[in-house]
Amino acid sequence: DARVTQTPRHKVTEMGQEVTMRCQPILGHNTVFWYRQTMMQGLELLAYFRNRAPLDDSGMPKDRFSAEMPDATLATLKIQPSEPRDSAVYFCASGSLQGDAYFGPGTRLTVT
Amino acid sequence: TQLLEQSPQFLSIQEGENLTVYCNSSSVFSSLQWYRQEPGEGPVLLVTVVTGGEVKKLKRLTFQFGDARKDSSLHITAAQTGDTGLYLCAGEDYKLSFGAGTTVTVRA
Repeated sequence: DARVTQTPRHKVTEMGQEVTMRCQPILGHNTVFWYRQTMMQGLELLAYFRNRAPLDDSGMPKDRFSAEMPDATLATLKIQPSEPRDSAVYFCASGSLQGDAYFGPGTRLTVT
Repeated sequence: TQLLEQSPQFLSIQEGENLTVYCNSSSVFSSLQWYRQEPGEGPVLLVTVVTGGEVKKLKRLTFQFGDARKDSSLHITAAQTGDTGLYLCAGEDYKLSFGAGTTVTVRA
C-alpha cells in the first residue's frame, strides 16, 4: 500500500531554532506539494515541485523558508529561524500528471 | 481570500439524513477534487471530476461538477457516523488550491 511518509510527526522547538521536515513521496509520482494547515487559514500551498524542479513557491516566506528535492525519493522543507507564528501542521503530498494529490500524515510543529 | 468558497462551514445532522456541501469559485479549473480529512490525519482524495456537467457516484456519495467548471457539489445519502469529517474541495489550474472546508458531524 503506497503512501507518503513524513518525519518527524511532531516537533516542538524554541523560537530561533532551525526546523527541517522530510517527506518521501510515493514512488513514481512526479509532483510534490508542501502545504501548511492552520485553523485560521486552512490549507495553504507553500511550494510545488514537478520532476524535482520547483514550479511555484510563491506561498512561502522566502526569508526563512526553503524547500528542496535533493532526489526523487526525498523532499525537504526547512525553516530558519523559526517563529511562533510558524506553528501549524505541515503536509507533504505527491501526485501524478493527473493533478491529484496524496497526502502524508503531516508534521505538527510547535514553536515556543 | 479563498479562491474556492465552501458552504456551509459547519453541518450537523442525524444518522440516516441526507446532506449537500457546495464549492464555488469565480475561476475555471481543469479539474476539481474532493477530499475528506479526519482529525490528526492528512486529507484523503475521494474523487476527481474533470468534465463540465460530470456526475460521479462513490457508494452513497454523489459528486457533481458544474457545466462551467467553476463549482461543484457533494451529496451524501443516508449519512453514517463514519462520514464525519472535514470535507475539502480543491481546484486544479497547474497547482491545487483548497477551499476552507465544511466540517460535517453525523450524530448517532
